[in-house]
Amino acid sequence: TVVTQEPSLTVSPGGTVTLTCASSTGAVTSGYYPNWFQQKPGQAPRALIYSTSNKHSWTPARFSGSLLGGKAALTLSRVQPEDEAEYYCLLYSGGTWVFGGGTKLTVL
Amino acid sequence: EVQLVESGGGLLQPGGSLRLSCAASAFTFSSYAMSWVRQAPGKGLEWVSAISGSGDNTYYADSVKGRFTISRDNSKNTLYLQMNSLRAEDTAIYYCAKSTDYGSGIYSFFDYWGQGTLVTVSS
Repeated sequence: TVVTQEPSLTVSPGGTVTLTCASSTGAVTSGYYPNWFQQKPGQAPRALIYSTSNKHSWTPARFSGSLLGGKAALTLSRVQPEDEAEYYCLLYSGGTWVFGGGTKLTVL
Repeated sequence: EVQLVESGGGLLQPGGSLRLSCAASAFTFSSYAMSWVRQAPGKGLEWVSAISGSGDNTYYADSVKGRFTISRDNSKNTLYLQMNSLRAEDTAIYYCAKSTDYGSGIYSFFDYWGQGTLVTVSS
């Protein structure tokens, strides 16, 4: 399985952006338990979203997860400068976990 | 607060072996599946291996199957990764990560991460 994300996206502060996560095997469903992670330079990844749309206690309210057009999606609303980072999605299938290649989000 | 601390990384030659450790604290270690995830320099994340809370079930990425072995000692709250027949392409930061099964089909994979340990394979 190959998991594909947009390599890069740019958003203005205060704007909204949606990152997507596609699977080479077909439509992404809740059965793939999509998870999303944020990673800033020099830091370990931080979990944001689990099982499609569930937020961790530390996940800012402006982050939301969903399924959109056969893909998993991460939407950032009211984007802040500190949201500039690399974002990774993760899909699970039958004892195998596959990360997407990551989306570098620039806030400009 | 959940803490995961990896150790054991280093520089070694191709074909060599290394054992990584991950010391866990502030949660009931034996109740949670654990994984190793790696990141090559300047590259993305790659899942390496996972183990159930009891240690009875293990899973491996094709890239490491037959060379790496994941294990855990629940009495010591420690996760391990034995890496044999190392190759240059195994060079990466290795993270350990905890997962949570909330039941009813809700899974949080890799909800907590350590800071990683660097493994460099080079002649």
